[in-house]
Amino acid sequence: AQSVTQPDIHITVSEGASLELRCNYSYGATPYLFWYVQSPGQGLQLLLKYFSGDTLVQGIKGFEAEFKRSQSSFNLRKPSVHWSDAAEYFCAVGARNAGNMLTFGGGTRLMVKP
Amino acid sequence: ETGVTQTPRHLVMGMTNKKSLKCEQHLGHNAMYWYKQSAKKPLELMFVYNFKEQTENNSVPSRFSPECPNSSHLFLHLHTLQPEDSALYLCASSQGDGNYNEQFFGPGTRLTVL
Repeated sequence: AQSVTQPDIHITVSEGASLELRCNYSYGATPYLFWYVQSPGQGLQLLLKYFSGDTLVQGIKGFEAEFKRSQSSFNLRKPSVHWSDAAEYFCAVGARNAGNMLTFGGGTRLMVKP
Repeated sequence: ETGVTQTPRHLVMGMTNKKSLKCEQHLGHNAMYWYKQSAKKPLELMFVYNFKEQTENNSVPSRFSPECPNSSHLFLHLHTLQPEDSALYLCASSQGDGNYNEQFFGPGTRLTVL
């Protein structure tokens, strides 16, 4: 079975600074990979996804993520963080032989300092 | 209404009550999901429905009873819950066409069991 680890439970960055959120997965083949964001009191919104092809994926709100097979990672990046990016971020993996189901990481809560 | 809606947004119930959570999707999708989001735990998949048929029950206690009368509506019937069932319950939907498709989430129902 697949699994997802987000090693950082909390991260604080200054507004305007760069951001990288880590995600490591465990799966025997190439997975489907997703990053979702959850603002307080809201559901999850998809930021970006990787299915195949180019390993650098662009998403909404200026986010990008890079799939690195050798490191089993799919880290999320943003060059300049805005105060509105404060939220919880979830990495998820879908197995190609398990229907449309997702396994989520524990999440990383991002706080942005003015 | 657009996207995925959930009602009520907040629910407080006693352990002997019976209540229902409702989810409706306006996206023309065929697959719907219930997730449980507890504090300090990863998002847990509870149930999956494809074309109104339940295709996944992730070892959920019988005090949770799902119902999917059509592809647009999903219910979660609750009875004799425990305080540890207090959580955010999220509904999601996706295309159910056999390919891998992203899931769209509702805002959730915050449930408190007294």
